[in-house]
Amino acid sequence: GAGVSQSPSNKVTEKGKDVELRCDPISGHTALYWYRQSLGQGLEFLIYFQGNSAPDKSGLPSDRFSAERTGGSVSTLTIQRTQQEDSAVYLCASSGQGMYEQYFGPGTRLTVT
Amino acid sequence: GENVEQHPSTLSVQEGDSAVIKCTYSDSASNYFPWYKQELGKGPQLIIDIRSNVGEKKDQRIAVTLNKTAKHFSLHITETQPEDSAVYFCAVYRAAAGNKLTFGGGTRVLVKP
Repeated sequence: GAGVSQSPSNKVTEKGKDVELRCDPISGHTALYWYRQSLGQGLEFLIYFQGNSAPDKSGLPSDRFSAERTGGSVSTLTIQRTQQEDSAVYLCASSGQGMYEQYFGPGTRLTVT
Repeated sequence: GENVEQHPSTLSVQEGDSAVIKCTYSDSASNYFPWYKQELGKGPQLIIDIRSNVGEKKDQRIAVTLNKTAKHFSLHITETQPEDSAVYFCAVYRAAAGNKLTFGGGTRVLVKP
């Protein structure tokens, strides 16, 4: 079946602009995660959604970052007033109800100039 | 919080040889340990995982071993092939820690033909 999809695949924006990144999880998966991967670095947890529960936002680096998940499916990660240090690959993952395995999308490469 | 260390950071092997990557973690309550393979420009791909009630798991040329007492786990790749060249990440999961994965820093594996 279809895996996790993300759009856009690449985004170049000017410092100070807002950006929205989209994630479509695997159909039927109840959990959705956002991670950030800076150049040559490991993956850093940002936010986690599980069903209709309040999201775990403990990894968001600043109040410029926010995310929402509509209808328990698609999620949007928004970064306001982008800074150069926001340049990274933003990865989305999903997992099934009660399952540990997380499956990742291809990521969105964000470049802030 | 959880701390995951991964070694080595780079590994070069001759085709046909074995490769071993080791990760150590700090939280003894962690209970799920996946390994991901990330090729250039792609998202991480889950290749094998192990749960805390199992000491070893094997899938064709890859295997994972877990030592809960010492709090470390390892990825073993036998009969390496050029297509095994990628960055490999270990991760650690504890359900009570918000269902997020904590990743190691990654190992860049190069298989020389």
